[in-house]
Amino acid sequence: GAVVSQHPSRVICKSGTSVKIECRSLDFQATTMFWYRQFPKQSLMLMATSNEGSKATYEQGVEKDKFLINHASLTLSTLTVTSAHPEDSSFYICSARGSGGPNRETQYFGPGTRLLVL
Amino acid sequence: DAKTTQPTSMDCAEGRAANLPCNHSTISGNEYVYWYRQIHSQGPQYIIHGLKNNETNEMASLIITEDRKSSTLILPHATLRDTAVYYCIVRVGGTSYGKLTFGQGTILTVHP
Repeated sequence: GAVVSQHPSRVICKSGTSVKIECRSLDFQATTMFWYRQFPKQSLMLMATSNEGSKATYEQGVEKDKFLINHASLTLSTLTVTSAHPEDSSFYICSARGSGGPNRETQYFGPGTRLLVL
Repeated sequence: DAKTTQPTSMDCAEGRAANLPCNHSTISGNEYVYWYRQIHSQGPQYIIHGLKNNETNEMASLIITEDRKSSTLILPHATLRDTAVYYCIVRVGGTSYGKLTFGQGTILTVHP
């Protein structure tokens, strides 16, 4: 299957700082990328959907000014958690869907980024 | 997208087949059935998907009932590394690609 990478895999930051997480599709062009969040012992919750070159669409209850998403190219999307607080500590997972062939129908997920805000 | 119902947990002996059921009684004609799994502290891994025909790949087989209201994921020879949470998701396909919405899934434990 297609490969999606995330960087960093783990980050610890101080409260009030901003953190950027990168998501890359390594062997296909991702027209659509998704960002999920997963708290301990819970399922994945979709935060937002982004199409290359367009503004992201956020799910209800997700603050767009706090979670900035940029999808500037077909292989890269970034999520910036601005003014992070301890309650933002979570496992952030990106996903990508391609523009053609089997990658058009299937979402592939990155390995996740564990964020700890102190 | 239609909702799915899965058992909370299942056990399977190593080397035996693991059969994971999923009910999706409100599935629409243009919705596909997708299966993903998530091993602890990792991102979900795509397993297989189908619309109405049974599907098989190197990882698993997907059996969809004729009325499409339920399906079964089969891992033919489960190993300890197959221990994970398995998610059954239905999603619109075709020209309008819906988003994947995760439920609680089934915790599959493969034991020696």
